[in-house]
Amino acid sequence: DAKTTQPTSMDCAEGRAANLPCNHSTISGNEYVYWYRQIHSQGPQYIIHGLKNNETNEMASLIITEDRKSSTLILPHATLRDTAVYYCIVRPYSGAGSYQLTFGKGTKLSVIP
Amino acid sequence: GAVVSQHPSRVICKSGTSVKIECRSLDFQATTMFWYRQFPKKSLMLMATSNEGSKATYEQGVEKDKFLINHASLTLSTLTVTSAHPEDSSFYICSASQPQGASWEQFFGPGTRLTVL
Repeated sequence: DAKTTQPTSMDCAEGRAANLPCNHSTISGNEYVYWYRQIHSQGPQYIIHGLKNNETNEMASLIITEDRKSSTLILPHATLRDTAVYYCIVRPYSGAGSYQLTFGKGTKLSVIP
Repeated sequence: GAVVSQHPSRVICKSGTSVKIECRSLDFQATTMFWYRQFPKKSLMLMATSNEGSKATYEQGVEKDKFLINHASLTLSTLTVTSAHPEDSSFYICSASQPQGASWEQFFGPGTRLTVL
């Protein structure tokens, strides 16, 4: 049980912002939202994580709704190299269960020239 | 930092032979390593959790006698697929866990593509 729901696939034009939604309506108070991506035939790559505040790093921004039941990963200027499967994962920040990552089916993002 | 390597990157073997895959954390010590398997167009499925110096914990449905895991040092874990068969053909990915503040983050290797003929 991945505890998250994501669209199966999305397309984005190169240079435009890619907005990837994720529903996690059963998220608990001590669970963070993590995003990873997997480029074809490679291992997953960490992107960003957050608890309730919006977060930004050099790769992406993470917008979490006030009720924390959903979030959006934003790639501000998508490039062809951003074509990958994006996984939204909820997990405890520490304590029991914090070791493991449960991958769902993710969203396959295709960036189109 | 936090680089994880795997060797080999791809391997082809005959049915009935055994294959060993290595996972190394190159710039940090990993108390815990994880092994995943990914079939084509499917998501990653956790196979086992490996703690240095102790026996691995296998997920339900994963045969511990078929998938031997050794985690003898803080920087190396190995997965041996014994008596491999074509249905074991898959993408095997390891990750190594490193404490980040109060949490533990996983850093993934590049994966090993196993093809059993």
